[in-house]
Amino acid sequence: GAVVSQHPSRVICKSGTSVKIECRSLDFQATTMFWYRQFPKQSLMLMATSNEGSKATYEQGVEKDKFLINHASLTLSTLTVTSAHPEDSSFYICSASNVAGGDTDTQYFGPGTRLTVL
Amino acid sequence: DQQVKQNSPSLSVQEGRISILNCDYTNSMFDYFLWYKKYPAEGPTFLISISSIKDKNEDGRFTVFLNKSAKHLSLHIVPSQPGDSAVYFCAASTFGDKLIFGTGTRLQVFP
Repeated sequence: GAVVSQHPSRVICKSGTSVKIECRSLDFQATTMFWYRQFPKQSLMLMATSNEGSKATYEQGVEKDKFLINHASLTLSTLTVTSAHPEDSSFYICSASNVAGGDTDTQYFGPGTRLTVL
Repeated sequence: DQQVKQNSPSLSVQEGRISILNCDYTNSMFDYFLWYKKYPAEGPTFLISISSIKDKNEDGRFTVFLNKSAKHLSLHIVPSQPGDSAVYFCAASTFGDKLIFGTGTRLQVFP
């Protein structure tokens, strides 16, 4: 099946710094990737839809200037948490669909990135 | 407004018995439904899906049933195994658009 990777798997940073998280589709091209955030004991909340070559579409309530998304190629999307604060500490997960492979509906998820802001 | 609901936060089943996880939705435009399994600190893993033109899809021990009139779907796992213990999310989408997730049901399979 389609494989999606994320890097890093875990990151600890100081308050006020910026952190970049990478999401890669390893064996397929993804024109669209999705970024989710999961709070403890809660479901996955969609943050934004990342479109290759164009601006991301953010969900209501998500600060686009704080969570910068860049989808520079068909296999890579990055999420940058700028000026991170402790309340940004969370588990961030990306997903992608293998549209070119004919599977437009199933999303394949990365392993997630645990962000801890001190 | 929660469009996809999993009303049971947890379920405990004995090994070898059937596990039934339920999911309700409110948006009649949803045309594709999926179940994901998630272990702690990991991303969700795709389990099984069903299109709205079907009412049943089976894959090994996993079967998903869809009742469109009731806007209800369920995941049956039989026989249940201890390794099935995880959080299960149902999700729905419209025409391949973003997934809307339920809040999850924690399944525990005990010996």
